[in-house]
Amino acid sequence: AQSVTQLDSQVPVFEEAPVELRCNYSSSVSVYLFWYVQYPNQGLQLLLKYLSGSTLVKGINGFEAEFNKSQTSFHLRKPSVHISDTAEYFCAVSDRDAGNMLTFGGGTRLMVKP
Amino acid sequence: NAGVTQTPKFQVLKTGQSMTLQCAQDMNHNSMYWYRQDPGMGLRLIYYSASEGTTDKGEVPNGYNVSRLNKREFSLRLESAAPSQTSVYFCASSEGPSPYNEQFFGPGTRLTVL
Repeated sequence: AQSVTQLDSQVPVFEEAPVELRCNYSSSVSVYLFWYVQYPNQGLQLLLKYLSGSTLVKGINGFEAEFNKSQTSFHLRKPSVHISDTAEYFCAVSDRDAGNMLTFGGGTRLMVKP
Repeated sequence: NAGVTQTPKFQVLKTGQSMTLQCAQDMNHNSMYWYRQDPGMGLRLIYYSASEGTTDKGEVPNGYNVSRLNKREFSLRLESAAPSQTSVYFCASSEGPSPYNEQFFGPGTRLTVL
């Protein structure tokens, strides 16, 4: 069975500062990893995904994430955040046995302050 | 192109009442999903339909039933609502049941059971 842990439920940060949102997963087979963003009162939107190949994945809105197999991590980073990045961010995992069934972490609320 | 639409947006039920949440997609996707979102728990899969004519249980199916009415529509029914079913419900769709296919989410239905 797979699981996802997002270590921080809330991350406050000042505008233009860098940010890292942490995600660790467990799975017994090769994994596929995703980051989704949810703006207030909206559905989820895919930020980026790792399926195979390069471990550094670039997504929309200047976000990137690095797949680290030895650490079983997939942390999300942005070098300089904007007020508009205030949202909830979800890490999710799937694997070849799960088809397209995603297991989500509990979410991290990013709060960007002016 | 509306993407994934859900009705209603909000609903309040009394314990024991029944209701059906509607979901439709106009992207000609084969696979559809129902999730519930609870604070600190991320999204959990209730049921999914890999293709028209098939449905399967997800992580938390108890108390719910689904119908894949046609390729476009996938409904979720609560036969006898309980306070534990108070949640935000999201419908999603993807081209197929593979992690290579992005899931697109609707705006959600906020359900309160008193």
